[in-house]
Amino acid sequence: GAVVSQHPSWVICKSGTSVKIECRSLDFQATTMFWYRQFPKQSLMLMATSNEGSKATYEQGVEKDKFLINHASLTLSTLTVTSAHPEDSSFYICSAPPGASYGYTFGSGTRLTVV
Amino acid sequence: DAKTTQPTSMDCAEGRAANLPCNHSTISGNEYVYWYRQIHSQGPQYIIHGLKNNETNEMASLIITEDRKSSTLILPHATLRDTAVYYCIVRFLLTGNQFYFGTGTSLTVIP
Repeated sequence: GAVVSQHPSWVICKSGTSVKIECRSLDFQATTMFWYRQFPKQSLMLMATSNEGSKATYEQGVEKDKFLINHASLTLSTLTVTSAHPEDSSFYICSAPPGASYGYTFGSGTRLTVV
Repeated sequence: DAKTTQPTSMDCAEGRAANLPCNHSTISGNEYVYWYRQIHSQGPQYIIHGLKNNETNEMASLIITEDRKSSTLILPHATLRDTAVYYCIVRFLLTGNQFYFGTGTSLTVIP
C-alpha cells in the first residue's frame, strides 16, 4: 500500500517549451504533496508544498511563475515547468504522506532534460 | 527541524552488518528520527523511523542513544542491492510537515 505514481519517468523537451509532471497517490488520499528537485550528485531540495484546493507554498528562491503547481484533487498534483531552459534539467520527485504513523512515500522521479 | 550530520561515504563487505551513524545533537523531545535511502536515479525509499526506543523491521534496525543526540541505522546482512545514499532526517510527526534532506551517506557494499 501507500504508492505514489509519478509520470513520465523521463522527458526530453526543447528549450522554451513547457513540461507537465504528474504525481498520483494510488491507494490513499493526499491533501498535501511535496515536490523536490535533485541535481546530479546532490541531495534532494524541497521546491514546494502542494495543497489540495489551495495555492502551493514555495520554498525561498523557487520561482512560482516558472514552476506551476496544481493540486486539483485528493489524488493528483501536477508540476509544470514553464518555458524550460537547459538549467532546469534535473530529477524531479514528488512525495505524499499516507498518514502520520508512516514514512512519506516518494514517487520514482522524473528525469527532465531540456535541449 | 533539527540538523543532522552523517559521514559522506562508507564501505561495507557483502554479508556483513552495515552500521550507519547519524548525529542530531539539537533534536527536540517531539522530533522523530527517520531513515530513507535512495538508489541511483530512483525516488527515496522509507526504511524506518523512531522516537526514543530502538526499532526493528524487515529492512533494518534503528538504535537511538539514550540522550537521543545520535542514532545508528543497522542493515544486518548487507547485499549489493543495499548500495545507495542513506539519509537521516529528524522532524516532527505531523502529516503536513515536509522532509528536508541533508547530504546523506553514500554506502557502497563490496562483493
